[in-house]
Amino acid sequence: SAVISQKPSRDICQRGTSLTIQCQVDSQVTMMFWYRQQPGQSLTLIATANQGSEATYESGFVIDKFPISRPNLTFSTLTVSNMSPEDSSIYLCSAFAGAETQYFGPGTRLLVL
Amino acid sequence: ILNVEQSPQSLHVQEGDSTNFTCSFPSSNFYALHWYRWETAKSPEALFVMTLNGDEKKKGRISATLNTKEGYSYLYIKGSQPEDSATYLCAQDDQTGANNLFFGTGTRLTVIP
Repeated sequence: SAVISQKPSRDICQRGTSLTIQCQVDSQVTMMFWYRQQPGQSLTLIATANQGSEATYESGFVIDKFPISRPNLTFSTLTVSNMSPEDSSIYLCSAFAGAETQYFGPGTRLLVL
Repeated sequence: ILNVEQSPQSLHVQEGDSTNFTCSFPSSNFYALHWYRWETAKSPEALFVMTLNGDEKKKGRISATLNTKEGYSYLYIKGSQPEDSATYLCAQDDQTGANNLFFGTGTRLTVIP
């Protein structure tokens, strides 16, 4: 199994600003994932972050809006840039740790005013 | 993108009642189905990973079945307890090499003492 922590747990931000979310895994993992859940919607994959290479973004998500860093095998950051109220969501990071189970962090609850 | 649907959207049951809810998914090119329990402000907790048609898995009072031919999975909770109150998510794994999970919107269960 894996224990994943995220910081901050929640934040309220003004439109036009940026927020960086940190994700720490207690073991080394190859791939880390960033998801978003907008109100009333399903969890949706934003991008996959591999150590040593650029993140792979899903359709509808771009690097300029959601830059990701993956400096080592236990850590990743997601930045939500130039925020608007539509970015108000829960952001979660996750990773596989053996077998087929994907483990998640507790999420970052973001409200953009 | 895989269209995963869950029903009902929310459910209130009395303590001690048994309950079940449904996850529907595309049956073609099936790889795996995941069930998670997500309590507010906590990490989604992996319950089951199901891969074989006819699979039935059990964890305490919670069990799940899988029908890949018709594209559905049921989650059962026997003798619901207040601590079972959570959102239950299912997700299909498309196994395109990046282990993308496509989630339903979840069933929010409230168990009334």
